[in-house]
Amino acid sequence: GAVVSQHPSWVICKSGTSVKIECRSLDFQATTMFWYRQFPKQSLMLMATSNEGSKATYEQGVEKDKFLINHASLTLSTLTVTSAHPEDSSFYICSARRTPRVLNTEAFFGQGTRLTVV
Amino acid sequence: TQLLEQSPQFLSIQEGENLTVYCNSSSVFSSLQWYRQEPGEGPVLLVTVVTGGEVKKLKRLTFQFGDARKDSSLHITAAQPGDTGLYLCALPGAYKYIFGTGTRLKVLA
Repeated sequence: GAVVSQHPSWVICKSGTSVKIECRSLDFQATTMFWYRQFPKQSLMLMATSNEGSKATYEQGVEKDKFLINHASLTLSTLTVTSAHPEDSSFYICSARRTPRVLNTEAFFGQGTRLTVV
Repeated sequence: TQLLEQSPQFLSIQEGENLTVYCNSSSVFSSLQWYRQEPGEGPVLLVTVVTGGEVKKLKRLTFQFGDARKDSSLHITAAQPGDTGLYLCALPGAYKYIFGTGTRLKVLA
């Protein structure tokens, strides 16, 4: 069964509103989680690394104020898309590992969230 | 710039055909993983290769890590519609993963 759960699976929101996406590790504690964005028919683009109890690490070009990440517990990270616009429409995926900072471990992915901003 | 280049980018084949997907880089990898992503889902790990020249088999899928550890290939024998999806190679670093450009495979019945 799934070890990383993402919610919601899809969401439609109006332009200018904010949307929160949750990512939970179900049977392990994740001090680090990763958030990706995926455009249609393209690969995964790492947006940021979520760190429990501290600030997220954002990749170059990703707006911190636009994509707010909170990792308040060892099993939950949230991504909030603030003041969403149609160009933010995309597939957002989170992932986590059972053993962080170790090479070659498996990354477990959530089911993804399809965000459509109208 | 993308560290991992995959080819082909898209592939549409008939059921029963064989195919090979490639993952290349100008850098040496310490290890490499292959994932498959089905539409509307997150990727799922298929295999991890760590030794140059290593070959691993998973049913009809054969994975090879290049001798120089700068490339890898995925060969599918007798493809089936269930193999349809996005295949991604990835560098499983200690701090973050880097994914390849992806190969989108469609197997027609």
